[in-house]
Amino acid sequence: DIQMTQSPASLSASLGETVTIECLASEDIYSNLAWYQQKPGKSPQLLIYYANSLNDGVPSRFSGSGSGTQYSLKINSLQSEDVSIYFCQQNYDSPPTFGGGTKLELK
Amino acid sequence: QVQLMESGPGLVQPSETLSLTCTVSGFSLTSYNVHWVRQPPGKGLEWMGVMWSGGSTDYNSALKSRLSISRDTSKNQVFLKMNSLQSEDTTTYYCARGYNNYVMDAWGQGASVTVSS
Repeated sequence: DIQMTQSPASLSASLGETVTIECLASEDIYSNLAWYQQKPGKSPQLLIYYANSLNDGVPSRFSGSGSGTQYSLKINSLQSEDVSIYFCQQNYDSPPTFGGGTKLELK
Repeated sequence: QVQLMESGPGLVQPSETLSLTCTVSGFSLTSYNVHWVRQPPGKGLEWMGVMWSGGSTDYNSALKSRLSISRDTSKNQVFLKMNSLQSEDTTTYYCARGYNNYVMDAWGQGASVTVSS
């Protein structure tokens, strides 16, 4: 199975800040990387697919980048509603696997 | 409007079989895939398996011996059955619509299952 390693595991930032979350795959996943947001007590929601494509309705302050084994999610101008756990997921090979998650809190 | 809703028992006895139903609306099961994903309390996400739009299935090898996924397209329902449940199967189970193979673009609210006597 492809292993997905996310960092950091937790992150504290202030409103208006820019934050970046990293995701490292154990092998090349050819940009088949998605990011999900899970708000407290809710189910995950798709933010980004194919490394940098924004899902419908997702604010433009979210962006994704990367290739090969290294990917990142950037949130510009952090808002209070962005407090969530963020997961990366490789969808290149079965079984699809998720990173351990990054818990984003407000400072 | 795309919706998925999981239903099933909240409590299952150890060694018994879990049966969950995912009822979908706003899309056709013959056009989209439906995945099952679980999440232990406070932990990460584990993909369990998928019902492909064509009617075939794929399972996580770690669960394959215990897991079965089926569907009834006339009722817009996908079913998950997992046997020999143990305490480590206490978790929230989600069904999710699949887009482009393993990307999941819509999720149900989740079904919390506790395995306990």
